[in-house]
Amino acid sequence: QVQLKESGPGLVQPSQTLSLTCTVSGFSLTSKSVSWVRQPPGKGLEWMGAIWSGGSTDYNSALKSRLSISRDTSKSQVFLKMNSLQTEDTAIYFCTRNNYFDYWGQGVMVTVSS
Amino acid sequence: DIQMTQSPSLLSASVGDRVTLNCKTSQNINKNLNWYQQQLGEAPKLLIYYTNNLQTGIPSRFSGSGSGTDYTLTISSLQPEDVATYFCFQYNSGNTFGAGTKLELK
Repeated sequence: QVQLKESGPGLVQPSQTLSLTCTVSGFSLTSKSVSWVRQPPGKGLEWMGAIWSGGSTDYNSALKSRLSISRDTSKSQVFLKMNSLQTEDTAIYFCTRNNYFDYWGQGVMVTVSS
Repeated sequence: DIQMTQSPSLLSASVGDRVTLNCKTSQNINKNLNWYQQQLGEAPKLLIYYTNNLQTGIPSRFSGSGSGTDYTLTISSLQPEDVATYFCFQYNSGNTFGAGTKLELK
């Protein structure tokens, strides 16, 4: 069955770089896209960016200068890297499949604090 | 960027009620809109894609409609398990979520 699972550090210091991994199973990254979506505590959802089945990427214009999404198809993993983190980047980070976001990971809480 | 306005932000309704949630966009999005349900502490769940297509496994009491800049999610008979926050999402130009409608039981 289709599964996605996020992993990464729960705490990041301000100005540092966040690195998250989304490990997928039940489908191939060469046939389906994966997006990252985040949600600050008690707030709404924000689409961050996507990596398409062909390997190209799209980013939210508000985050584009700080964000990079890549993948390792052999390991069925998608990576998110975002630099210059600030407290407002504290959020639950989700990875989700396909352009309809039909399957989601459980999310990983990331706190930006010194 | 396309702006999304969901209304109401909070809706109280009784079990069995017909419930309507609205999503208005700042420009025509050509029906490129999905609806998601997020229950407390969980990841969002896809309910409706491309305005009016019911995702597999979603109860038929959920339906979607709309065109242009105005879209609606309807729950025909509210059930206790429908208590959640509902988000619309447009993918016509960029990708934008609405701020959500929180649905609670009266």
